[in-house]
Order: sequence, then C-alpha cells, then structure tokens
Amino acid sequence: DAKTTQPNSMESNEEEPVHLPCNHSTISGTDYIHWYRQLPSQGPEYVIHGLTSNVNNRMASLAIAEDRKSSTLILHRATLRDAAVYYCILKTSYDKVIFGPGTSLSVIP
Amino acid sequence: DVKVTQSSRYLVKRTGEKVFLECVQDMDHENMFWYRQDPGLGLRLIYFSYDVKMKEKGDIPEGYSVSREKKERFSLILESASTNQTSMYLCASSLLRGAVGELFFGEGSRLTVL
Repeated sequence: DAKTTQPNSMESNEEEPVHLPCNHSTISGTDYIHWYRQLPSQGPEYVIHGLTSNVNNRMASLAIAEDRKSSTLILHRATLRDAAVYYCILKTSYDKVIFGPGTSLSVIP
Repeated sequence: DVKVTQSSRYLVKRTGEKVFLECVQDMDHENMFWYRQDPGLGLRLIYFSYDVKMKEKGDIPEGYSVSREKKERFSLILESASTNQTSMYLCASSLLRGAVGELFFGEGSRLTVL
C-alpha cells in the first residue's frame, strides 16, 4: 500500500496562511490524494481531494506537484478552529486506505 | 448533512465480555467502515461492507466481527474483549467506493477493557 509522510507538528499564527506538506513518492497513477482533519474529541472530517490538478473548495486548497509525489494543503487564513490533526492519505480503487499519524497543527492567537 | 451516529461515546468493559458497537448513517450510503485509532498508529481499518450482509476484512480483523443486516446500520462485535482492544473506534460511511469516495466519520466510541 502506498504511504504518505507528513511532519509531526506545525505552528501557525492566526490569520496567516498555512502550508501543510505531504510526501507520497510511491503514489500510483490511479491513487487520489485526500486530506482529512480531526478536531479534538471528534471523528475525522473530510477536507479536500484531488488527482492531478490543483483543487479549491470553501475549506482549503490542494496543490499537487507535477510528478504527484508530493502535495500541499493550503489554509488561506488560519483560525483557532483550524487547530487539529491533518491527515494526508492516498485512496485507491480498493478502500484499504492508510491513515498515518498526521500533522498536528497549532494556531497561535 | 450526512450524519453518522455511534451508539456510545464511552464504554468500559471487562476482559472476556462481548462488546457491541453500533453505527447508523442516515444518507443511504452503501459503503460502511470500522476503524480503530491508537496514538502514534493513526487509523487502521478493521472491516468494511459494500452492501447488506456483505463484509470484507480490513488490515486488522483479528478479534473482531461485524454485522450488516440493514443498509443504514453496521455493527462491530468483540466476541471476547481483551485489554489490547482498548482503543478509539471510528465508524465511517461513503457514497462512492474506492479512490473518490469521501468518508464521513462518526464521533467515535472510546472503549476501555479492564
């Protein structure tokens, strides 16, 4: 199964942009890149997903490298409510995805 | 909004007890999943189901079984609970299978086995 690697933790100042990196060097051509986040005491929440092109939605933007071996989740203006663990996962035609430890994002007021 | 409801947020059981964790979703999703979450290990897939009465093993099915008698309900069963099954259990559902399927998670059930 293809895996992802993310930094264990990151910090950001409130109202500044945050770039959360993810490496997935063993990604295959049909794997989709998904991002989820988990707020304290809650289940994970879907953020965004993409295949090759950059994607935007109301929560975030996803920038995918041309070779697809890495991607970056962009939160345009971090708020205190964005403090969470962010998971980058690869989803294949089979549903056996791997959620690693993720990146714990702290937002400083 | 999709709602995935897990029956119990917190449970405390004794070793050897049979444990049922219930999950119900209200969006007519065919696909349902059970994960466990442990510190430093992320989420690991236990079982999943694409249809009523259908089940597939995930990565760590040992010690668990599941039941899907109705489309909206997916139950995780620990036949004889052990202390190493102390964990957070997360249920999820999705409309689509595979690579594009967005997962909707419940709030989790924290199980402690004494």
